[in-house]
Formats: sequence, structure tokens, C-alpha cells
Amino acid sequence: GAGVSQSPRYKVAKRGQDVALRCDPISGHVSLFWYQQALGQGPEFLTYFQNEAQLDKSGLPSDRFFAERPEGSVSTLKIQRTQQEDSAVYLCASSPTRRGLQNTGELFFGEGSRLTVL
Amino acid sequence: GENVEQHPSTLSVQEGDSAVIKCTYSDSASNYFPWYKQELGKGPQLIIDIRSNVGEKKDQRIAVTLNKTAKHFSLHITETQPEDSAVYFCAEGLRQLTFGSGTQLTVLP
Repeated sequence: GAGVSQSPRYKVAKRGQDVALRCDPISGHVSLFWYQQALGQGPEFLTYFQNEAQLDKSGLPSDRFFAERPEGSVSTLKIQRTQQEDSAVYLCASSPTRRGLQNTGELFFGEGSRLTVL
Repeated sequence: GENVEQHPSTLSVQEGDSAVIKCTYSDSASNYFPWYKQELGKGPQLIIDIRSNVGEKKDQRIAVTLNKTAKHFSLHITETQPEDSAVYFCAEGLRQLTFGSGTQLTVLP
């Protein structure tokens, strides 16, 4: 596809269940980000991958959150033992460049996966 | 990036009028400031960005101004149209972005 694709678009989980959210970035994009967006708020950084390397996971709220990108393309965000406070939209974004002092530029966001924990 | 404050949280304007959204930031080392537009059910989309070596940037009806001394930057939309209605986010950062809390802009026909 032409853009960042995320699945599922909607997920309802019972408290305590594990969930997995998938992100297909734009082909060839080096950088991949996960953000969490609570209702009525701006996106908040969770984690960053450069190719298959997870270079920053400082935004993950707890050890129940785990992300991987084993082959440097598709990424999965896994949340174990979901809690009600995990309810949010999870946004994936990709960028063709490595991120750093001289490389900023546009992040291409997917439409997000809306997680509701009952 | 650290903290980004965005005002106002909601803004209604008549079609054809201008809209201004303001953000302040705390990290004096910040040097990249993008603005994203998010429509309902969609992901944010970049509309304009500015780097710290520039004070103003324009792209048709959209402009961004940056005051590094005061640590604030603003989005200006002129000749607003109904399709400009959306949530707008300011952000700052080099690697990961720190976003403001958003402004719901409504352009009344």
C-alpha cells in the first residue's frame, strides 16, 4: 500500500487479556515509531526503531508493553495483561530517514488502532 | 523535548477569517517544530514545519512563526475554509516528537 497500514483498526479486550497490534510501514522506511493517543490528547511517544534495532523505549509505560520489528519492516506492539488505563489509540509512524540532529522531517502516520479495555 | 503547551484548546472562526494557534516549549535545545493536522478517525498529517535557524515559513494559506528567545511558535491559517476544520497539534523534537494537547478548529460556513 501507499501509506502506513495498521491492524486491527478496533480492538476490544477484557481486562487481563493480551493484545497485539500490527504496523506495516511505508516500504523502505528506516525509522518506525509507536505513539499512544488518549482521548482528547496529543500523541505520546512510546518507542522508536531504526531498522530492526529498538533504539529508544523510554516511553513505554510499563513492562507490560513490548514492541518488536524483527526484520526491519513490520512491527508489532504487544500489551500483556491489559488494564483499563491502556485504552487509547495506538499510532504507528514511519520515516524514510534516520532520526537525529540533522535528520528530522515528516513522520507518516497510520490511522491507528483503537484499543478499548473493559 | 520536554513540555509543550498549546492554546487555545478550541477555536471557532467564520469562513474566510484567520486562525492563530500558539505553542510554548521548555527545552531550549529544541530546533525542529512541526505542525500536524488530524481529521476524525485519521492519523496526524504534517502540514508545515520550521527549523530554529528560520523565523518564519509560509506555504500558501499556512504560515508558522518561531521566537526562540521567548520559546514560542505559532500557526497562522488565512482565508479559512470548512475543510480546514480538524484538530491541530504543534510538536517539537529531533528524534521522537513531543506533541501539544491539540486545538479543535471549527470553520463555520
